Amino acid sequence: DIQMTQSPSSLSASVGDRVTITCRASETISIYSNWYQQKPGKAPKLLIYGAFNLQSGVPSRFSGTGSGTDFTLTISSLQPEDFATYYCQQSFKTPSTFGQGTRLEIK
Amino acid sequence: EVQLVESGGVVVQPGGSLRLSCAASGFTFDDYTMHWVRQAPGKGLEWVSLISWDGGSTYYADSVRGRFTISRDNNKNSLYLQMKSLRTEDTALYYCAKDLGSSGWSMDDWGQGTLVTVSS
Repeated sequence: DIQMTQSPSSLSASVGDRVTITCRASETISIYSNWYQQKPGKAPKLLIYGAFNLQSGVPSRFSGTGSGTDFTLTISSLQPEDFATYYCQQSFKTPSTFGQGTRLEIK
Repeated sequence: EVQLVESGGVVVQPGGSLRLSCAASGFTFDDYTMHWVRQAPGKGLEWVSLISWDGGSTYYADSVRGRFTISRDNNKNSLYLQMKSLRTEDTALYYCAKDLGSSGWSMDDWGQGTLVTVSS
């Protein structure tokens, strides 16, 4: 199975900061990487699909880049509602797999 | 508005069986691949299974293959997960999710989940 390794596992940042979360696949997955945001007690929300496509309704401060094995999620200017846990997912082959998550906390 | 409502989660003993259901509305159900994703208490997300729009293709995580069966009834706009030989490590919140429909599998709509607890 393809392993997705996210870094960092947790991150403290302030409102207005630029934040980058990375995800590395254990083998090449082309551009089949997706990113989700999950807040406590809530279902995950799709942010980015196909490595760089912004899901409808998601603010433009979120962006995704990468291909092959290395992917990034960037939040250009953190807002209070962005403090949450973020997951990457590979959809190149089954079984689909998620990263372990990155918890983004307020500094 | 897309709505996905899971049901069927209960407390069950190890070795037991259970069927989860997901009632879908607000979209053309038989146009979309559907997924089950689970989350153990305090842990991350784990993809469990997917089924193609017509039920003709199904895939499973290694951890559930041979024990879980995904199915759908397009006439009833419903998705199911039959679970057998349950283990304590199957304890989780089980989400039903709709595929976005682009190339690759991404999940753009999710239910609120149904809790399965495997315990003696």
